[in-house]
Amino acid sequence: DSGVTQTPKHLITATGQRVTLRCSPRSGDLSVYWYQQSLDQGLQFLIQYYNGEERAKGNILERFSAQQFPDLHSELNLSSLELGDSALYFCASSVEIDGGGAYNEQFFGPGTRLTVL
Amino acid sequence: DAKTTQPPSMDCAEGRAANLPCNHSTISGNEYVYWYRQIHSQGPQYIIHGLKNNETNEMASLIITEDRKSSTLILPHATLRDTAVYYCIHSGAGSYQLTFGKGTKLSVIP
Repeated sequence: DSGVTQTPKHLITATGQRVTLRCSPRSGDLSVYWYQQSLDQGLQFLIQYYNGEERAKGNILERFSAQQFPDLHSELNLSSLELGDSALYFCASSVEIDGGGAYNEQFFGPGTRLTVL
Repeated sequence: DAKTTQPPSMDCAEGRAANLPCNHSTISGNEYVYWYRQIHSQGPQYIIHGLKNNETNEMASLIITEDRKSSTLILPHATLRDTAVYYCIHSGAGSYQLTFGKGTKLSVIP
C-alpha cells in the first residue's frame, strides 16, 4: 500500500460526459501528479500540483483540468469525453524537497480505470 | 524529453539474478536515474534511484557506469512476484515529472 488513495476504482460513462477523479496523497506529501496510461500511448505525465499551485504541465488536453485543494487532495476533471480517453489514470504524490539536485521518489495510487462508451 | 532505451522483454529463471540494462545517454549532470516497476495494471512502484554511485536497498541494486550513460538494475534473487514491466527514467531537480518509456517486460520463469 503506497498510502495514496484514488476514487473511484472504476468509472464507466458515455461520450460527451464529464467526470471527476479524486486523489488523496500520502500524509505530508505536498506534490500531486496525474498520469494517464492508455494501450497505445503508455504512461504519460499530465500535470503536477505543489501545495495548491500548478507546477508543471505535460500532455494534458484542454478538455482536462485539475486542482489541488487546501487539504492537499486533488481532483482531475475530464470533460467532453471521447472514446480515446478510455485509460487508467494514476495519481502520484511526493514530498518534493526543493534545493537543487534533490531526488524525488513518487508514490503511485492504484489508479482509476475510465471506460468511455 | 528525457528518453531511455531498454530491451522490450527479458526472461529470468526463478531464484537467479535478473540484470536489466538501460541506456540513458542524454542524462544531464544533475539528473538522477530512477527505476520503477509496474505489476500488471497496478500503480508503478518505486524501486531505487542513483546519481553517480552504485546503490543497494532491500529490493535491488543499481549499477551506474562511470560516464553515467547507462545503468543496470539487479534483482539478486528473482521470484515470480517480480514479473512486471520495469521502467528506467532520468529526471532532475526542477523537472520532477517522470517520463516513462516502454520499459522492459521481465518474466520470471519457475
